[in-house]
Amino acid sequence: AQSVAQPEDQVNVAEGNPLTVKCTYSVSGNPYLFWYVQYPNRGLQFLLKYITGDNLVKGSYGFEAEFNKSQTSFHLKKPSALVSDSALYFCAVRDGEDSNYQLIWGAGTKLIIKP
Amino acid sequence: EAGVAQSPRYKIIEKRQSVAFWCNPISGHATLYWYQQILGQGPKLLIQFQNNGVVDDSQLPKDRFSAERLKGVDSTLKIQPAKLEDSAVYLCASSLGGHAGIIEQFFGPGTRLTVL
Repeated sequence: AQSVAQPEDQVNVAEGNPLTVKCTYSVSGNPYLFWYVQYPNRGLQFLLKYITGDNLVKGSYGFEAEFNKSQTSFHLKKPSALVSDSALYFCAVRDGEDSNYQLIWGAGTKLIIKP
Repeated sequence: EAGVAQSPRYKIIEKRQSVAFWCNPISGHATLYWYQQILGQGPKLLIQFQNNGVVDDSQLPKDRFSAERLKGVDSTLKIQPAKLEDSAVYLCASSLGGHAGIIEQFFGPGTRLTVL
């Protein structure tokens, strides 16, 4: 069965430091992977996705993510955190060989950037 | 480009009452989704429309939830009667085409439902 795990409920980072939000997945076929961000009282916003190609994917607001097939991970990263990056981050996956088009969502990681 | 619109933003009702949510997707987006997001959890897909047809409603509690997409554009989600456990944020999203697992989804601001 497809699944997504975000092992950290909360990540605290000082402004200017690099940040990593972790995501691991389990699918039987090739994964399609997504990161979304949710700011308070706002809907989810798409950040980036991995479908195929380069393992390092660049997205909005300076975020990037690295697909690691051997570790079944898709960690979200940013070289220098901003206070405005504080939000809730969700990882989602779909099995590329599954005719069910549903995305499976992680439980979310709260990112807190301290000035 | 206008985003996904939802109304109302907040709704408080008592259990056993009924409630309806409205969604207007981004113009030209053929696929529309309704999600339920309970506090502390990721979104859970309730129903997916492709134009005005249902693609997936396997997780929709059909004894109390219903949804329709009129003319393949706007959509309404109804709960009747509501239970305490229905308290959640209801998110509407839309995307181009039917390849839901490849093409990114655009989300509305959500409707926060509180059932007392």
